[in-house]
Formats: sequence, structure tokens, C-alpha cells
Amino acid sequence: DIQMTQSPSSLSASVGDGVSITCRASQSIGSYLNWYQQKPGKAPKVLIYAASSLQGGVPSRFSGSGSGTDFTLTISSLQPEDFASYYCQQSSTTPYTFGQGTKLEIK
Amino acid sequence: QITLKESGPTLVKPTQTLTLTCTFSGFSLTTNGVAVGWIRQPPGRALEWLGVIYWDDDKRYSPSLRSRLTITKDTSKNQVVLTMTNMDPVDTATYYCAHRRVGLVGAFTWFDPWGQGTLVTVSS
Repeated sequence: DIQMTQSPSSLSASVGDGVSITCRASQSIGSYLNWYQQKPGKAPKVLIYAASSLQGGVPSRFSGSGSGTDFTLTISSLQPEDFASYYCQQSSTTPYTFGQGTKLEIK
Repeated sequence: QITLKESGPTLVKPTQTLTLTCTFSGFSLTTNGVAVGWIRQPPGRALEWLGVIYWDDDKRYSPSLRSRLTITKDTSKNQVVLTMTNMDPVDTATYYCAHRRVGLVGAFTWFDPWGQGTLVTVSS
């Protein structure tokens, strides 16, 4: 299985801050990397697919970058609704493994 | 509009078999390229990919659960069924089904949308 490692596991930030979350794959996955946002008690929603493509309806303050083994999700200016958990997922090879998640909390 | 909803027991006993149904609308599992996946999430923990079933009835399972998992489809009912045998308390989780999207270019895929999830507790 391809292992996905996210960092940090948790992050505290303020409204208006810019933050980045990283995801590292245990082997090269090209651009086969998705990012999801999950709010408490809710199902995950996709933000970014194919490493850098913004899902329709997702605000442009979210962006993704990277290829191969190292990827980054960036939120340019945090809004109150962005405080949630974030997961990366590789879709290169089954099983399509997820990272362990990053919880973004209000400082 | 694509929607999915999971249904099944909320409580199962250890060693029992879990059967969950994902009922969907807005797409057909007979259409080339379409797939439905299952993902679970233990309370307070990360997402775990369980498996996927494709329009052509091909299936892929998590290697760690392959011996216990079966995913089937009933295209006439727009349903996908997940069966997991020999349930254990560590299998307590919210189980999600999700529609697999495919990019217009390349073989990029992602899950969108997801069902609301159903919490299954394994306890005697």
C-alpha cells in the first residue's frame, strides 16, 4: 500500500491567516492526489483533485500544488468556515489511501 | 444531482456479518466509467478506504480487509451493498459510500459526492 503522511496533525491559526498543509506519499503518485475537507459530524467534501484542480464551487482561496511524492494544500486567507479537518488521498494505485488528517483550529 | 445514502444496522454483535446498502440517484452504475466506493472512519480517527465497485462489475478491496469484504451492485435498484464478515469492536466506525468522479483528461479520480454516513457500533 502507498502510505500518505500529512503534517502537521493539528494547526492553530486566526481568521485572515494563510496556512499550508503538506502530504507526502511513500512512493511517486504523479499528480494523483486529492484533498478533502471534513467538518464535525459531516461527510468529507472534495476541495482539490489531480493535485491542483479546484473542484467547482470551492473558493479560490484554496489551492493545491505538488507532484511525485510531495504535495501542499494552501488556504490563502482563512475564513471562519475553514476551520475543519483536512485529508489528502492518493488515487494512483488501489487501495486509494488517505492521510491521517490535519485538524485546523481557531487560535 | 447526485445523491447517495447509506442504510443498515446501527449495532452489530462481534462475529456477526454487517450488511450496508448504499442507495443512490442521479447516475447509473451501468454507465461506462462509473464507480461507487466505500470508506469508513472510526470515531475521532482518519478515513480508511475500503473498496470500490465499477460499472463493469470489477471490484477492488483494501488488502487488509479483502478476506472479509464483499461489494456487490443491483443496478435495477440503484444500490450498492457492502458485506463485512466477522465484525469486531475495532470495526466500529461511520461507514460512507461515495460516487467516483473521473477527470476529463487523464485517469484522475476522486470521490464526490459522499453519502451522509452511517455509524455502526460493534458491541455485545
